[in-house]
Amino acid sequence: GDSVTQMEGPVTLSEEAFLTINCTYTATGYPSLFWYVQYPGEGLQLLLKATKADDKGSNKGFEATYRKETTSFHLEKGSVQVSDSAVYFCAPQRVGSQGNLIFGKGTKLSVKP
Amino acid sequence: DAMVIQNPRYQVTQFGKPVTLSCSQTLNHNVMYWYQQKSSQAPKLLFHYYDKDFNNEADTPDNFQSRRPNTSFCFLDIRSPGLGDAAMYLCATSRGGQQHEQFFGPGTRLTVL
Repeated sequence: GDSVTQMEGPVTLSEEAFLTINCTYTATGYPSLFWYVQYPGEGLQLLLKATKADDKGSNKGFEATYRKETTSFHLEKGSVQVSDSAVYFCAPQRVGSQGNLIFGKGTKLSVKP
Repeated sequence: DAMVIQNPRYQVTQFGKPVTLSCSQTLNHNVMYWYQQKSSQAPKLLFHYYDKDFNNEADTPDNFQSRRPNTSFCFLDIRSPGLGDAAMYLCATSRGGQQHEQFFGPGTRLTVL
């Protein structure tokens, strides 16, 4: 069945460090791919998305590219800030569903000044 | 601003005492989802409505029910809360189908005494 494997945390970085959070998935067909971010005590917010192969989603300095060959959607940011501290979820969409998402386990990022 | 609203933000109930959580949306989306999220875990889909069509996840306990009286509102009823039902409950909406992201509310934190 459809599944997602996300790099487990926690990840602790210093401010201005480079961030990569790996995400790979298995799916029948070609799902749309999403990254969501959750700040403490809040709901999830869409960070970025890509809907077809080679698409690059970007937002707030974060980027992820839809790699069909490797079924991956790794999240990257060149220079993290303290305010980026949050939990990040990779979420492919279940193909053929009514938009249902398959959530990874989440990666907690802590950025130290 | 168009949004997803959840009330209350914090709910305390007693073991076995029925409780209802509410969600409303101003986005006019077709689909409304309910998730359960326990500490340090990914959100777990309980069920969703596509318009008036109810879709239950196979592993959602019978203790959890939902109602959607109109497009804007959706309710989560927990008939006999147990200690294991203490969690954050997230409501989300989307237009449905592929490519469309889900929009999340801020969540309701349920405590069971």
